[in-house]
This record gives sequence, C-alpha cells and structure tokens, in this order.
Amino acid sequence: NAGVMQNPRHLVRRRGQEARLRCSPMKGHSHVYWYRQLPEEGLKFMVYLQKENIIDESGMPKERFSAEFPKEGPSILRIQQVVRGDSAAYFCASSPPMERAFFGQGTRLTVV
Amino acid sequence: KNEVEQSPQNLTAQEEEFITINCSYSVGISALHWLQQHPGGGIVSLFMLSSGKKKHGRLIATINIQEKHSSLHITASHPRDSAVYICAVPMYSGGGADGLTFGKGTHLIIQP
Repeated sequence: NAGVMQNPRHLVRRRGQEARLRCSPMKGHSHVYWYRQLPEEGLKFMVYLQKENIIDESGMPKERFSAEFPKEGPSILRIQQVVRGDSAAYFCASSPPMERAFFGQGTRLTVV
Repeated sequence: KNEVEQSPQNLTAQEEEFITINCSYSVGISALHWLQQHPGGGIVSLFMLSSGKKKHGRLIATINIQEKHSSLHITASHPRDSAVYICAVPMYSGGGADGLTFGKGTHLIIQP
C-alpha cells in the first residue's frame, strides 16, 4: 500500500501560468486535505474534500484557487494565473474517517 | 476555531539529552497530532492521541485533555532527530474529521 503520492515534487511556473498539483491518497482513504506552507511560515489548512464533494474550503483563497477530488483519479489543486506569492510547499494528506492523516512529500511550487 | 501554541520555538541540545516539546490548544478536541518535518522533506505523522500516553521507540507523547496540553519527549536524543516538530489539532471543537490547525513548530537541533 503506497503512501500518499504527490506530483510533481517540484514545479516552476512563470507568472500568469496555471499550476496543477496532483494528490493520490492512500488506498482506502476517502478524505483528502490540502495544506500550504509559505516560506518561513507554518502549515495552513486550505481545503478538505471527499469523493466528488468539497467539505470545507474555508482556507482557500477566494480567487484563482480551486480543488477537486473526482470519483476516479487523483485530487487536483489548481492555481490559475499564478503570482510570486503563490510560491510555497503544498502538502496533501489523506485519511480514513476519524483516523490519523498521512501526508505526502509535498509539491514545491516556484513562481518566477 | 482552535489555536495552537508550541514551545520552545527553537531548541539546541547535546546528543543523549532528554528533550521535551510542549503544545497547548484553546478548545476541546477529539485527538491531537504530532508531526515531524525534515528540511526539504515531507511530513511524517508521529502520533495521533486522544488520551494518556503513547510510545514509539525513543519518542513519547502525552496529552492532558482537561488542561488542553500535550508534550512530546525524545529520550537519548540523536543528531538524526534534528527536525521540525509540529503539533496539530482539529480546526473546530470536537471536529474529528476536520482539517488541522498547526503550531508554528519547534526547530530541534541535536549536536553530536
């Protein structure tokens, strides 16, 4: 049973481009969480999803950011028209209901 | 929303020393998480605990639900224990499956 898989591990985008970050949860895990870690700052919650549903997106910026967890395939965090301030490490975690969350290795996004 | 305070923010110790990291949170929770993050690396979930004490190798985590306080101890510390240790709790009171809110982390350096 592979762990939480995130790809790519590193992503470089120019300002104005789109960034797509993928997360494949552990097998059998129905809950996916996205967190962001800005340089020199702590982790912050972005969004909590279950299959085909967004449960809590209170941590997502209102514009340019979106997330999905389709019935088939990985969860996607999408950032449109990236800006330098979006440069951060984005972590995905998955868990069964009410159990310990397992984290992926993160995607380090650099906007140039 | 829950708030998390960790101390100390930075800790440098000599090999073999007994290490204690503290975490306090503001509202009642179902469980608390201790995480480990190495420089440039991913996040590893060390413990999820809702009462009492858990032990894994040289790591011990305790929680006092009434006092809203948890501690992470490392016995016989080793340079490979050098990392950032992060305390995390559910964002909302009693929210077991909710996203997590994190402490700022404790930067631990163990010198040989």
